[in-house]
Amino acid sequence: GENVEQHPSTLSVQEGDSAVIKCTYSDSASNYFPWYKQELGKRPQLIIDIRSNVGEKKDQRIAVTLNKTAKHFSLHITETQPEDSAVYFCAAPLSGGGADGLTFGKGTHLIIQP
Amino acid sequence: NAGVMQNPRHLVRRRGQEARLRCSPMKGHSHVYWYRQLPEEGLKFMVYLQKENIIDESGMPKERFSAEFPKEGPSILRIQQVVRGDSAAYFCASSPQGRGNEQFFGPGTRLTVL
Repeated sequence: GENVEQHPSTLSVQEGDSAVIKCTYSDSASNYFPWYKQELGKRPQLIIDIRSNVGEKKDQRIAVTLNKTAKHFSLHITETQPEDSAVYFCAAPLSGGGADGLTFGKGTHLIIQP
Repeated sequence: NAGVMQNPRHLVRRRGQEARLRCSPMKGHSHVYWYRQLPEEGLKFMVYLQKENIIDESGMPKERFSAEFPKEGPSILRIQQVVRGDSAAYFCASSPQGRGNEQFFGPGTRLTVL
């Protein structure tokens, strides 16, 4: 099955700077890569996703890039704001070519310093 | 359009009791997934169901845990004879199609076993 590794586990950046979180996956058949944001005590919320037929996707201050050859994808947040502080999870299909459950990375705790 | 609903939001059980968690998917969604999240950890896939069918239960413990999604009514995750290690947040998610589509999460049920 799929294995997703996420780095770093904690990331502290100054407000206004950019933040980058990286994930690698193991199953070359995986074709869908979502990113979720989870605030303390709340549900995971889908913030952006990318499918394997594109290399990059942007939504305002958030972007995701995908390198299928290297099997890694990254979340980029520009002009960070205090409300960006949360735990971010990357994910990939549990069994890239079949099952539809998701396997998640262990999360990155993003801290925005004022 | 109401989001994914879960109840109860908090559940306290003593060791040996049964826990029953409910999930109503978003309107028009026929695919339900259950995940477990331990404190300070990521989400772990448990089971994927469609109406009246279990599609993938590879993440479900073999004993004491069961899930169903009947033709009418919510999906139910049942944990029999709970132990302290079952204490966790249990999230369900739903999607309109099973393959590589967005999964939207409910608010979770926080189970505490005394």
